[in-house]
Amino acid sequence: DIQMTQSPSTLSASIGDRVTITCRASQSIDSWLAWYQQKQGKAPKLLIYKASTLASGVPSRFSGSESGTEFTLTISSLQPDDFATYYCQQYRTYSPLTFGGGTKVEMK
Amino acid sequence: EVQLLESGGGLVQPGGSLRLSCAASGFTFSTYAMSWVRQSPGKGLEWVSIITHIGGTYYADSVKGRFTISRDNSKNTLYLQMTSLSAEDTAVYYCANAYCSGGACFHFDNWGQGTLVTVSS
Repeated sequence: DIQMTQSPSTLSASIGDRVTITCRASQSIDSWLAWYQQKQGKAPKLLIYKASTLASGVPSRFSGSESGTEFTLTISSLQPDDFATYYCQQYRTYSPLTFGGGTKVEMK
Repeated sequence: EVQLLESGGGLVQPGGSLRLSCAASGFTFSTYAMSWVRQSPGKGLEWVSIITHIGGTYYADSVKGRFTISRDNSKNTLYLQMTSLSAEDTAVYYCANAYCSGGACFHFDNWGQGTLVTVSS
């Protein structure tokens, strides 16, 4: 199984901060990685796919990058609407498909 | 507008069964893989199962042999038959779609709002 190790599990930040979340795959997944945002009590929402492609309607302050098996989600300037939990997901293989453990971005 | 509407959740006793449904609209259902993802209270996302656009099925080890995913393309509906349920299956169950092309299926484009399954005596 491909393990997705996401860090940190919790992140405290202020409006305007640059925020970085990391996800490391246990083996190569090429660029088959997505990032989702989930707000409390709501369904997840796709932010980024293929490691760095912004989903439709997602603000440009969100970006994704990769270096080998390490993937990064960056919020360039944190906005009030961005306080949420973020998950990475690999879809290189469906045997099984795996999510990271999540990163909760909270207000400092 | 894409809509995914789950139903069928509820309270069930340990050892019991339940069938979830996900009614889809706003996209060409037959060209998408469909998946179930669950989230236990206060926990992260856990992938459960997926059925590809051509009917291939995959399961998480935690549900293999107990859950069966299926789809009815004529009704644009996804199903999850769950049997031998235990407290560990208590979760909100989301359905999600993934576009497929060239034999591969990709990220989850859209998610439903979820249906709560509670396994308790």
